[in-house]
Amino acid sequence: GAGVSQSPSNKVTEKGKDVELRCDPISGHTALYWYRQSLGQGLEFLIYFQGNSAPDKSGLPSDRFSAERTGGSVSTLTIQRTQQEDSAVYLCASKTGGAKNIQYFGAGTRLSVL
Amino acid sequence: GESVGLHLPTLSVQEGDNSIINCAYSNSASDYFIWYKQESGKGPQFIIDIRSNMDKRQGQRVTVLLNKTVKHLSLQIAATQPGDSAVYFCAETPNSGNTPLVFGKGTRLSVIA
Repeated sequence: GAGVSQSPSNKVTEKGKDVELRCDPISGHTALYWYRQSLGQGLEFLIYFQGNSAPDKSGLPSDRFSAERTGGSVSTLTIQRTQQEDSAVYLCASKTGGAKNIQYFGAGTRLSVL
Repeated sequence: GESVGLHLPTLSVQEGDNSIINCAYSNSASDYFIWYKQESGKGPQFIIDIRSNMDKRQGQRVTVLLNKTVKHLSLQIAATQPGDSAVYFCAETPNSGNTPLVFGKGTRLSVIA
C-alpha cells in the first residue's frame, strides 16, 4: 500500500517568508509525528498527533512553528517568518494504534531558507 | 545544537563481511528500541526492534543485541552487501505506545565492493 507522503519534496524560500509543509500519513494510522533533521544529524522531535489532538508539542523550537491535523489524516507544519537556521529536512512519520511504536517515515521535505 | 553532526562516525566494511554498528542510549527508563536505515534522499526505514525484556533478536541477515547494564545496543549485519550502504540510527522510547522516538546521531556504513 501507499506509504507516508510528504510535499513538497524540496522548498526554497527567502528569509522572513512563511512556509507550509504537508504530510499524508498511511491510511488508518492514528498517530502522526513531525521530526527535523539537520545536515548530517539525527532526528529531532517536533510534535506528535493522536487523532487531531497534539498531546506533545514540546519539540517545537519557537512560536514561529505550528502544526495542525484535520480529519485524523493530513497534517500541515507551518513555519512563519522563516530563518536560515530553519533549513533542514522535515520528516513526517505515522503509526497504527497498536502497541508497538514502529513509526513509518516519509521521504521528507528539504527546506532551504536563503 | 549538536557540535559533531557533520562528522558522522563511519564504518567501512568489505562486501561479504559482517558489520557491527553500535549505539549507546541515555535513558535507563527506555524499554523499546528500534534500528532504522536511511539511504540518501530517503526517510528512515524500519529494520528491526527489540523490547527491554530481551537481549537478542534476529531478523533476516540482521541481529540486534541489547545490554541494559551498560545501556548499549548493537546491530549486526551478516554478509554485508552494497545495498546496505546507508546511515543507521538507533532509536529509543520509554514505552511501546505512541511516545516520540529519541534518535541517536547515526553511523554511516560504507560497503566496499
